[in-house]
Amino acid sequence: QVQLQESGPGLVQPSETLTLICTVSGDSVNSGTYFWSWIRQSPGKELEWIGYIYYTGTTNYNPSLKSRVTISMETSKNQFSLELSSVTAADTAIYYCARAMWKVPRFDPWGQGTLVTVSS
Amino acid sequence: QSLLTQPPSASGTPGQRVTISCSGSSSNIGINAVAWYQQLPGTAPKLFIHTNNQRPSGVPDRFSGSKSGTSASLAISGLQSEDEAEYFCAAWDDSLNGVVFGGGTQLTVL
Repeated sequence: QVQLQESGPGLVQPSETLTLICTVSGDSVNSGTYFWSWIRQSPGKELEWIGYIYYTGTTNYNPSLKSRVTISMETSKNQFSLELSSVTAADTAIYYCARAMWKVPRFDPWGQGTLVTVSS
Repeated sequence: QSLLTQPPSASGTPGQRVTISCSGSSSNIGINAVAWYQQLPGTAPKLFIHTNNQRPSGVPDRFSGSKSGTSASLAISGLQSEDEAEYFCAAWDDSLNGVVFGGGTQLTVL
């Protein structure tokens, strides 16, 4: 059974960098079968795709966040991570990691999500 | 504002058939596959339909998906109280070169 688990601080100061880690069990992030993705959900419940990473290191980001986002992978730990810089209150959301497929909106499974609040 | 448009709410009584719509454009639904997600309160979204009309293992066959032109629909027949949830549609958008989600539809079972 594939499981994903997000971890990271629940509170981030405005203008700082949000960093989250997703730990995968039951599958290998470098298997080459799937992409690995981050998605967030605002307090208003809207879902927003943040980006993908493939085991080769290839990434694809949402253009609206591209200038502030970095997704990377640590294959030895079977993890991938999200960095979002220069955060504001608008970045307050539940952040999910998910296993994904290229060019199709097929995210399965998802992690349980982690709430990140941007506030001083 | 979401590139995929869903009604904010839908409702039905137990046993009824309910349909939730998802309207897109020629750069997303018009040329790419659609997926649907169910989100129960306090939980992560769960894949319920992929590739327009395919159900993952474990999803009841009361749920069905369809697509026509730049719109897609999720139909739930024999509505049950456990179906009360938020439902989101999603599609790849060629202009964005990424995934777009609908704003979500809150389904209430009366």
